[in-house]
Amino acid sequence: AQSVAQPEDQVNVAEGNPLTVKCTYSVSGNPYLFWYVQYPNRGLQFLLKYITGDNLVKGSYGFEAEFNKSQTSFHLKKPSALVSDSALYFCAVRDWDAGNMLTFGGGTRLMVKP
Amino acid sequence: ETGVTQSPTHLIKTRGQQVTLRCSSQSGHNTVSWYQQALGQGPQFIFQYYREEENGRGNFPPRFSGLQFPNYSSELNVNALELDDSALYLCASSSQSTRGMNTEAFFGQGTRLTVV
Repeated sequence: AQSVAQPEDQVNVAEGNPLTVKCTYSVSGNPYLFWYVQYPNRGLQFLLKYITGDNLVKGSYGFEAEFNKSQTSFHLKKPSALVSDSALYFCAVRDWDAGNMLTFGGGTRLMVKP
Repeated sequence: ETGVTQSPTHLIKTRGQQVTLRCSSQSGHNTVSWYQQALGQGPQFIFQYYREEENGRGNFPPRFSGLQFPNYSSELNVNALELDDSALYLCASSSQSTRGMNTEAFFGQGTRLTVV
């Protein structure tokens, strides 16, 4: 079975400061990892993915994520936060050996204060 | 915008009724997945359709069923609605290769279902 943990329900950061949203995963096969963002009353927007290759993945809106196989982590990062980044962030994993379903974490609310 | 559209955006139903939710997938995508997102939780996988057949299912009872049409659009049907079915229902489209691997999923804006 595959699972995703987002240990922080909420992350608070000041505008202009770097941000990190944490994610750890568990799969039996090869992990394929994703980050999505959800704004109020909206669906999920794709930010970035890791399938293979470079452990540092760059995505939309200046976000990036670092894949760490030994720590089974895929933390989302941004060098300088914007107030408009405030939203709900979801990490998800797909285990190709177990089918194509995405398993999501519980979400982390990012609050960026001016 | 992702190009994935869902209808209706909001719906209120009575316990015991049946509901049908609709989804149009993004152009070029052949796979549709449905997810249930309860308030304050992450989305939970319901099932996936590829070439008009269900090819993956999460831990949901048989009263959750679906269809995929030749144009790759899809329906989610829920029978005998229960109060706990109140949630945001998300449709996602992706493209599945002949090796069975999907591209990243693009989500619609969701249908908010309230069961009273």
